[in-house]
Amino acid sequence: KAGVTQTPRYLIKTRGQQVTLSCSPISGHRSVSWYQQTPGQGLQFLFEYFSETQRNKGNFPGRFSGRQFSNSRSEMNVSTLELGDSALYLCASSSTGTNEQFFGPGTRLTVL
Amino acid sequence: GENVEQHPSTLSVQEGDSAVIKCTYSDSASNYFPWYKQELGKGPQLIIDIRSNVGEKKDQRIAVTLNKTAKHFSLHITETQPEDSAVYFCAASKGTGGFKTIFGAGTRLFVKA
Repeated sequence: KAGVTQTPRYLIKTRGQQVTLSCSPISGHRSVSWYQQTPGQGLQFLFEYFSETQRNKGNFPGRFSGRQFSNSRSEMNVSTLELGDSALYLCASSSTGTNEQFFGPGTRLTVL
Repeated sequence: GENVEQHPSTLSVQEGDSAVIKCTYSDSASNYFPWYKQELGKGPQLIIDIRSNVGEKKDQRIAVTLNKTAKHFSLHITETQPEDSAVYFCAASKGTGGFKTIFGAGTRLFVKA
């Protein structure tokens, strides 16, 4: 089975721009969670999608949003980028009703 | 709020020695405790996990122990190898998916050949 894939792997943007990141979960997994990883804050939960619906949301501003498609692929969007948004963005997929999360390689976003 | 404390932040061992990483959690409702290994340029990889109804679990050179009363759990790696060098994260979860999962700050393990 193919693992979780994320595109693009690297992005460089400037302040004020917006960005869209994509995540394809493991085949059959319907839950996708997004995380922001930074050296200072560690792994922080952004939101979780299940069957095209946002099921849970972490403590991030409204500039961070996401969606999930009928094939379980998910995208997250960050609008009006700030320098502090520079981070590794990870997505993880889970099978229905299970605890185990499987992470993708991440998208490294740099905001200049 | 809920948190997970992880120690040490950095650990350096000689190849062949054992490495132990410890975590303490605050939410007594947590019932699932995974450990992840993250290598440079990669996402975290689940290496072992334990549920609250089990005290110990072993998989080849790695083992995890859980003390629910004290609310702490540990990762033990025996016969360490250079390829074990990575950042290790513990986490505590009380539900499915990512929302109810709290991660530790990570331990950078160096295994010297």
